[in-house]
Amino acid sequence: NAGVTQTPKFRVLKTGQSMTLLCAQDMNHEYMYWYRQDPGMGLRLIHYSVGEGTTAKGEVPDGYNVSRLKKQNFLLGLESAAPSQTSVYFCASSPGTSGGADNEQFFGPGTRLTVL
Amino acid sequence: AQSVTQLDSHVSVSEGTPVLLRCNYSSSYSPSLFWYVQHPNKGLQLLLKYTSAATLVKGINGFEAEFKKSETSFHLTKPSAHMSDAAEYFCVVSDWGGYNKLIFGAGTRLAVHP
Repeated sequence: NAGVTQTPKFRVLKTGQSMTLLCAQDMNHEYMYWYRQDPGMGLRLIHYSVGEGTTAKGEVPDGYNVSRLKKQNFLLGLESAAPSQTSVYFCASSPGTSGGADNEQFFGPGTRLTVL
Repeated sequence: AQSVTQLDSHVSVSEGTPVLLRCNYSSSYSPSLFWYVQHPNKGLQLLLKYTSAATLVKGINGFEAEFKKSETSFHLTKPSAHMSDAAEYFCVVSDWGGYNKLIFGAGTRLAVHP
């Protein structure tokens, strides 16, 4: 049981390039999330998904797109990378089936992205 | 709207001494609160969570937190720090807008000295 995995672990891009980050979970969780972590700011929610085929905007969605074609995968895309998108990106998943607000989120190990 | 404020960005303690990481929250509803820990270059791990049951919550690795509604606080404590506790700690509140979304504090970096 691998939990939540992220690919790649590190990436360096030039301004204007595009890339896709892959998140996979093997816990059959309904909900998945993408966050970015910047120094002194905690984690901020970029986009999330509450089931296969659904996506929704979080707190900082601009410049990112997402897709959830399969329940176990959640992709984060940068169409035209900017230096302001240099950050550490975390994916998380949550069961989402109890209807309550206390479900734990399980986090992946992160992807460190640098945009030059 | 929900929010959390971690009152210290850095805390430094000696090994074997108590740890106190402070967190205040703001919520229009009875909140669900969490503490997560992030060791260097690692993902986040849940330490403990409060979900309107007992106000004193025990977590992993000897950590505990007390929910105080009158003070809107959820401080994290440990009686005796260990070198392996050096990490960044996040106080988190669940967003009642739904879908188990989380709102993170800015984090407290804990240093433990021999």
